Amino acid sequence: DGGITQSPKYLFRKEGQNVTLSCEQNLNHDAMYWYRQDPGQGLRLIYYSQIVNDFQKGDIAEGYSVSREKKESFPLTVTSAQKNPTAFYLCASSSTGRREKLFFGSGTQLSVL
Amino acid sequence: GQQLNQSPQSMFIQEGEDVSMNCTSSSIFNTWLWYKQEPGEGPVLLIALYKAGELTSNGRLTAQFGITRKDSFLNISASIPSDVGIYFCAGQPNSHQGAQKLVFGQGTRLTINP
Repeated sequence: DGGITQSPKYLFRKEGQNVTLSCEQNLNHDAMYWYRQDPGQGLRLIYYSQIVNDFQKGDIAEGYSVSREKKESFPLTVTSAQKNPTAFYLCASSSTGRREKLFFGSGTQLSVL
Repeated sequence: GQQLNQSPQSMFIQEGEDVSMNCTSSSIFNTWLWYKQEPGEGPVLLIALYKAGELTSNGRLTAQFGITRKDSFLNISASIPSDVGIYFCAGQPNSHQGAQKLVFGQGTRLTINP
């Protein structure tokens, strides 16, 4: 089935450690996105990529990094510079064109040990 | 920046009741998307609206794109226990500019008493 796969489902980070969240899509979408969701809050955009080998900062990019070496993959690294990393992270992808739709993965819950 | 006001923030209803929620903005949107999110999962797209006045159904769900293009409504008829979750609206101010421009509502948490 086509979709967006995020892994792992749960991730724990030690202080000073970088961790990487995986996101893979087989929807043949050009654009991919990373959002952060905190309890009781809306979604906040971290990074997005509209094409391979290019990505842009979203609203809350500090402390995060991404790469887009393949169309299917858009991994997110939460660096040690992110002082409050505990959140639910959502990867998404969208088709381009007039009738855009955004589809989400099942999320990764990151917690700090 | 642009903001969406989604209301109500939470709803507690009896099974079988109808549900209505809405999103409003002071700005015009060209696309409205409605999502449902269950605990520990990603949002699932329910309905997409692309034209002012458009009314679209998906089973017991019906959503409308407001005529003023500043609001959208989602109705759920004859609610059942599996409707429990958080419902989000998202508005796209301009077409062809990518989903990075999407503005999300804060969500409506739906709880159903059996």
